[in-house]
Amino acid sequence: DIQMTQSPSTLSASVGDRVTITCRASQTFSSWLAWYQQKPGKAPKLLIYKASSLESGVPSRFSGSASGTEFTLTISSLQPDDFATYYCQQYDSYPWTFGQGTKVEIK
Amino acid sequence: QVQLVQSGAEVKKPGASVKISCKASGYTVTSYYMHWVRQAPGQGLEWMGIIYSSGGSTNYAQKFQGRVTMTRDTSTSTVYMELSSLRSEDTAVYYCARQYNGMDVWGQGTTVTVSS
Repeated sequence: DIQMTQSPSTLSASVGDRVTITCRASQTFSSWLAWYQQKPGKAPKLLIYKASSLESGVPSRFSGSASGTEFTLTISSLQPDDFATYYCQQYDSYPWTFGQGTKVEIK
Repeated sequence: QVQLVQSGAEVKKPGASVKISCKASGYTVTSYYMHWVRQAPGQGLEWMGIIYSSGGSTNYAQKFQGRVTMTRDTSTSTVYMELSSLRSEDTAVYYCARQYNGMDVWGQGTTVTVSS
């Protein structure tokens, strides 16, 4: 199984901050990685697919990148609506696996 | 509008089974794979398995092998997930999610509580 290690687990930031979340895979794979945003009591929402492609309707302040086994989600200027938990997920091979999540809190 | 609507909350006793439905609308259910993901209270997301669009074959996470069954009814565009031999650790919100560029459309979630 591919293990996804996400960091940090919690992040305190202010509106307007640039925020970076990292996900490291236990082995190399093609860019079949997605990022999701989840708010309390709601289903996850797809933000980024194939490591760096922006899902339709998602604001352009969200971006993704990949380098080897490290994947990064960046929010260029944090907005009030962005305070949530974020998960990475590999869909290169079964079982699909998620990172443990990063909660973005208000500083 | 593409959407997945899941059945309502369930309360089950240990050892029982639960069957959750996920009704698709706005697209052809035979054109996309469907996944099931669960989330225990305060915890992260856990992939359970997939039911393929063609023929309805399945692939389950090892953890759930022997306890989970995913099926579909193409006539009603509904996918089902049944989990048997429930234990307290199965208390969670269960989601269905359509596969497209990862999982692009999710159901609203079904809460399953396992308690004696």
